[in-house]
Amino acid sequence: EAQVTQNPRYLITVTGKKLTVTCSQNMNHEYMSWYRQDPGLGLRQIYYSMNVEVTDKGDVPEGYKVSRKEKRNFPLILESPSPNQTSLYFCASTGTTPYEQYFGPGTRLTVT
Amino acid sequence: SQQGEEDPQALSIQEGENATMNCSYKTSINNLQWYRQNSGRGLVHLILIRSNEREKHSGRLRVTLDTSKKSSSLLITASRAADTASYFCATDAGNNDMRFGAGTRLTVKP
Repeated sequence: EAQVTQNPRYLITVTGKKLTVTCSQNMNHEYMSWYRQDPGLGLRQIYYSMNVEVTDKGDVPEGYKVSRKEKRNFPLILESPSPNQTSLYFCASTGTTPYEQYFGPGTRLTVT
Repeated sequence: SQQGEEDPQALSIQEGENATMNCSYKTSINNLQWYRQNSGRGLVHLILIRSNEREKHSGRLRVTLDTSKKSSSLLITASRAADTASYFCATDAGNNDMRFGAGTRLTVKP
C-alpha cells in the first residue's frame, strides 16, 4: 500500500530537549516536504527536498532542520524546541505527474 | 506565506444539499488542487485542475478554475454526513512550490 508514515504520532516534550520526527514514504517519490498546521493559518511549509541530499527552506524554517540521506526518509529535527513550535506537523511526498501530494497521518507536538 | 484563500471559512448544510467552496489566489499557477482533511488527520488529495483547464469532475465533485480571476470553486453535490471535513485548496506555481489556504470547514447535518 502506498503510504507516508510518521513517528511519533503524539509527542509532549520540554523546551530545549532535542527531538526528531521521522517520515518515510514507499512510493519512490523524489520530492518530500514538511508542513506545520496551526488554527486559522492553514498549512505552512517548513522545508522541502527535491531529491537526496537536496533540501531547501520553505516559508517557516526557523528552529527546524532536515536531512535527506535516502530517498524514502526525510526526518524533521528540532534542535532546541520552544513552545511556539507546538503544532500539528505533516510530512508529504509528491509524485512527478500529476504532482498530487500524499500526506502522512500527522504528528501532534506539544512543547512545554 | 499563504497563496490560496478559501471562502467561506465555515459552511453548514443539510444532507442532500450541495456545498460550494471558493478559493482565490494571487500569482500564476501550473495547477490547483483540492484536499480534504478529517479532524486532526492527514490531508487527502481530491482533485487537480491544470491551469489550461476550466472544469473537472470526479464523482460528486466538480471543480472550476478561472485563471483570469485567479479563482477556483469546489462543488460537492448531494452532500452526505461523511463529507463533513475541512477542505483546502493548494496552488502549485511550479517546482512543487505548493501553497495552501486556511481551509473551509464543512459540516453536513444528517
